[in-house]
Amino acid sequence: NAGVTQTPKFRILKIGQSMTLQCTQDMNHNYMYWYRQDPGMGLKLIYYSVGAGITDKGEVPNGYNVSRSTTEDFPLRLELAAPSQTSVYFCASSYSREGGNTIYFGEGSWLTVV
Amino acid sequence: AQSVTQLDSHVSVSEGTPVLLRCNYSSSYSPSLFWYVQHPNKGLQLLLKYTSAATLVKGINGFEAEFKKSETSFHLTKPSAHMSDAAEYFCVVTHMNYGGSQGNLIFGKGTKLSVKP
Repeated sequence: NAGVTQTPKFRILKIGQSMTLQCTQDMNHNYMYWYRQDPGMGLKLIYYSVGAGITDKGEVPNGYNVSRSTTEDFPLRLELAAPSQTSVYFCASSYSREGGNTIYFGEGSWLTVV
Repeated sequence: AQSVTQLDSHVSVSEGTPVLLRCNYSSSYSPSLFWYVQHPNKGLQLLLKYTSAATLVKGINGFEAEFKKSETSFHLTKPSAHMSDAAEYFCVVTHMNYGGSQGNLIFGKGTKLSVKP
C-alpha cells in the first residue's frame, strides 16, 4: 500500500544547479499537487495538476516547473536552484476536486541550496 | 477570502492530561475543515475532517474536533495525551464546491504539541 512516494528524501544542491523531485502515486488519483513547507509556516501550493497533460500554477510557482505525462507521475523541476528554495517539499494527490475530498501526502523531500 | 489561524504555536501537556489545539477560520463559503498531523521528518497524515455533516467529528488516535459556526472555530481535542502524540498539527480550510483547484487548501502555521512524561 505505497500511496504517494517521493524521491529523494534529502538533497543538497549548489546555487545554480538543477534537479528533479520525483513523485508517483498508485491510487489512480486524478489530482496531484506540489507544496513547499518553510519553518514556522504552513504549506504553500507550488503547482497542481487535474489530470495527465494538464498543469497549473499555485501560489508560489516561480523557479519551478512541472509536467504530468501519466496519471501516476508528477515530477517537480528546479532549473536554477537558489537559497530561497531551501525548503521541505511535499507531493500530494486526491481523487476529485470536491472540497471535502481527502488529500494524501508523501513523506517529504528535504532540499538545501548552498 | 479564506484564512486559518492557529492560536498557539506551541502547546505543552503532561501525559494523561487533555489536549486542546485551537483553530479559527475565515471563509466566505461553507468550509471544509481538516486537521493534519506531522511527526518529525514525516509527511502529513489526516486526523479528521469536517464536510458539513455532523459538527462533532471523530478522528484517528482518539482525537476529535467540533465545528462551531457561530465562533468560526474548529478546535482539536483529545481526553488523554500520549507520548506518541508529540508532533506538529495543522488546521486546514478549503471550500466545498470551490470553483478553482481543490488543491487550494489554506494551511494554518501549525501548533507543535509537546508531551511530558
